[in-house]
Amino acid sequence: AQSVAQPEDQVNVAEGNPLTVKCTYSVSGNPYLFWYVQYPNRGLQFLLKYITGDNLVKGSYGFEAEFNKSQTSFHLKKPSALVSDSALYFCAVRDLNAGNNRKLIWGLGTSLAVNP
Amino acid sequence: EAGVTQFPSHSVIEKGQTVTLRCDPISGHDNLYWYRRVMGKEIKFLLHFVKESKQDESGMPNNRFLAERTGGTYSTLKVQPAELEDSGVYFCASSQVGLRTEAFFGQGTRLTVV
Repeated sequence: AQSVAQPEDQVNVAEGNPLTVKCTYSVSGNPYLFWYVQYPNRGLQFLLKYITGDNLVKGSYGFEAEFNKSQTSFHLKKPSALVSDSALYFCAVRDLNAGNNRKLIWGLGTSLAVNP
Repeated sequence: EAGVTQFPSHSVIEKGQTVTLRCDPISGHDNLYWYRRVMGKEIKFLLHFVKESKQDESGMPNNRFLAERTGGTYSTLKVQPAELEDSGVYFCASSQVGLRTEAFFGQGTRLTVV
């Protein structure tokens, strides 16, 4: 069955420190992987995606994510966190072998708190 | 360029009433999706339109939910009659054709059934 796991409900980091938000996935075929962010009282905003090619992808606001096929992971990272990065982060996957390969399968979300 | 717009942003209705949510996708986006997040749970797929056609409605919970996309433009999601378990945030998204494209989301409609 297709699934996405975000093992941490909450991540706390100090401003200026590096941050990592973890994501692992399970699909039957090749995955397309996405990160979205939801700021308070806002919609889901696209951050970055992995489709093919370089395993390290760069996205908006200085975020990047590394695709690791052997570990089926797609962790989100940022070298230096800002207080304004505090938000809810969602990992999502599309299974290219699925009947509907455009449907997104989502993790539960991770709340990131960056402390000044 | 305008993003995906959803209306209303919040709705509180009584059990048994009817509610209609509206989504205006980004102009030119053939793909339109509805998702729902129930509190404490993951975001779940409801259905997918390609233009005015339902491509996949496997995620619709039951026949109390009806989605339409008139003329391949805006979409509506009607819940009739609403039940307590229908409470949640309903997200609409749209995307261009092509498998590699990402979906752009609206701000969501928070539905509370009391």
